[in-house]
Amino acid sequence: DAGVIQSPRHEVTEMGQEVTLRCKPISGHNSLFWYRQTMMRGLELLIYFNNNVPIDDSGMPEDRFSAKMPNASFSTLKIQPSEPRDSAVYFCASSLDTPEAFFGQGTRLTVV
Amino acid sequence: GEDVEQSLFLSVREGDSSVINCTYTDSSSTYLYWYKQEPGAGLQLLTYIFSNMDMKQDQRLTVLLNKKDKHLSLRIADTQTGDSAIYFCAETLDSWGKLQFGAGTQVVVTP
Repeated sequence: DAGVIQSPRHEVTEMGQEVTLRCKPISGHNSLFWYRQTMMRGLELLIYFNNNVPIDDSGMPEDRFSAKMPNASFSTLKIQPSEPRDSAVYFCASSLDTPEAFFGQGTRLTVV
Repeated sequence: GEDVEQSLFLSVREGDSSVINCTYTDSSSTYLYWYKQEPGAGLQLLTYIFSNMDMKQDQRLTVLLNKKDKHLSLRIADTQTGDSAIYFCAETLDSWGKLQFGAGTQVVVTP
């Protein structure tokens, strides 16, 4: 398996634009997590899904952030409108009924 | 404040053992983890330990858990230059994969 695949790896956008980050979990995994990493706040859980259903979105910073998981093999994290303070590395992770969560390579987002 | 705390930096000579320490506050944590992050890369799961265990060994890695003191450590034997990275301690919250991370310890291995 290729592991968790995220795209794009890097994204630079202007403030106010919509940004969509994508994630393909490991085939067969039933839980998916979105994390954000910044220098100031470290790694934070934004939202997680189980069997495509959002279970906990308490980490989503504000209404500008939304996440979907239309099927077991794809998830998106959307920011609309984006702001400079959203600049961070966004990680997706997946797991299958075990304590082991596997992370993707991340998307480095820069909002200018 | 943070629920998981780590020292920020550790310097170690190649061939020596490294010990990275972590304290956590949530006594209900079921699993505790060590992840490794190399520059520009994602997080690699190194090892994890169930909270009813005291120790886990996996090749060069030894994890010690003191549940009473809520203290977790990772020992890397015979540290190599490839071990230079940031090491994150994490605990589970109420679900697998829902992790609370520490700030990370940057380990620098010198020749």
